[in-house]
Amino acid sequence: DSGVTQTPKHLITATGQRVTLRCSPRSGDLSVYWYQQSLDQGLQFLIQYYNGEERAKGNILERFSAQQFPDLHSELNLSSLELGDSALYFCASSVDWAEAGTGELFFGEGSRLTVL
Amino acid sequence: QKEVEQDPGPLSVPEGAIVSLNCTYSNSAFQYFMWYRQYSRKGPELLMYTYSSGNKEDGRFTAQVDKSSKYISLFIRDSQPSDSATYLCAVWPNGNNRLAFGKGNQVVVIP
Repeated sequence: DSGVTQTPKHLITATGQRVTLRCSPRSGDLSVYWYQQSLDQGLQFLIQYYNGEERAKGNILERFSAQQFPDLHSELNLSSLELGDSALYFCASSVDWAEAGTGELFFGEGSRLTVL
Repeated sequence: QKEVEQDPGPLSVPEGAIVSLNCTYSNSAFQYFMWYRQYSRKGPELLMYTYSSGNKEDGRFTAQVDKSSKYISLFIRDSQPSDSATYLCAVWPNGNNRLAFGKGNQVVVIP
């Protein structure tokens, strides 16, 4: 158990809809990352938050947004869903790498999104 | 050009065989290299972490970095059915607070 909790585990929805994925990081971790995993693209970095502020942005679509709340949990909002958004969405957390100097991310078990 | 490339082909080996996995990366300035293991229906977990060049051993696992050819390798000796998983290489691009992952190799060890 990594200590990172993601909900829901599975989600089935229709095109055009909006969903929210939730993540609780490991106790004490200030950084939260969102990744999208699909068979053709692999694990793609979407966005990172550190202590409530956006720190790095990757290949995140404009239809997607995220935030990190004062209690450090994070939400990823996906709107105007398309078939191609079907994927596994992972949340990960870490200590501050600038201090710790390691590349270890602790991943949750993911939220599997199916868009029909 | 992608920061790290990993041929995502599956690999089936008999129990006890040596598994060899490889990745290439694009930027010679990268210094942090990792291998993550992902079991089915689970999130990736860090298997090994290497700073700069050279070899690192951890039990049956050896990670190797060749900075001259920008090549990352993972070797699994005496493979076991419990090693059946997807293995993803990753690099930590300098100046970025994120990891860049390869597409992963699904390894199946047949008893």
